[in-house]
Amino acid sequence: KQEVTQIPAALSVPEGENLVLNCSFTDSAIYNLQWFRQDPGKGLTSLLLIQSSQREQTSGRLNASLDKSSGRSTLYIAASQPGDSATYLCAVTYSGNTPLVFGKGTRLSVIA
Amino acid sequence: GAVVSQHPSRVICKSGTSVKIECRSLDFQATTMFWYRQFPKQSLMLMATSNEGSKATYEQGVEKDKFLINHASLTLSTLTVTSAHPEDSSFYICSARDARGAGNTIYFGEGSWLTVV
Repeated sequence: KQEVTQIPAALSVPEGENLVLNCSFTDSAIYNLQWFRQDPGKGLTSLLLIQSSQREQTSGRLNASLDKSSGRSTLYIAASQPGDSATYLCAVTYSGNTPLVFGKGTRLSVIA
Repeated sequence: GAVVSQHPSRVICKSGTSVKIECRSLDFQATTMFWYRQFPKQSLMLMATSNEGSKATYEQGVEKDKFLINHASLTLSTLTVTSAHPEDSSFYICSARDARGAGNTIYFGEGSWLTVV
């Protein structure tokens, strides 16, 4: 069974700190991997998408890396801000037509 | 950028009635849409894959006669919760695949809160 695991489940940091969220997947034959942000009671916002042939993607203060062979991805957030507080979800897909398989997410709180 | 619209955002219905949730891709054609369900503080659970012009593919344990999915056009898929019960109260989210380019990016709607009383 394809599974996605995210560690830690919850994280609280002071404002300004750099942080790393971890994601691992059991089947390394992924098509691509996406990181999403979800605010309480809201839908998902796509943050970064990494194709299986890529090793990282960057957007502003966010950097996502992918090590396909070891089945791991990390999301690095630089200089965290209270507005970054949300749940971050990692998801993989195994072909161009199959649905995403989600992890349970990491709930991030950035304290001012 | 691509946008997926979901309506209604919140709905309250009486037990035993049916509720329809719409999912629209606003600036791209989506041959495939996905419906997810999310319980509080849990991750998204795939319910079914909706394919335009054909029957939806349901995940194991999801009752196809209770959760009716129709994908009648390339921009619209609907989920109808039939004979709703309080245990159907949940957050339902749709997503649509944008196959343009090489990304096959999936975009999500804002979700629909269903409360059955």
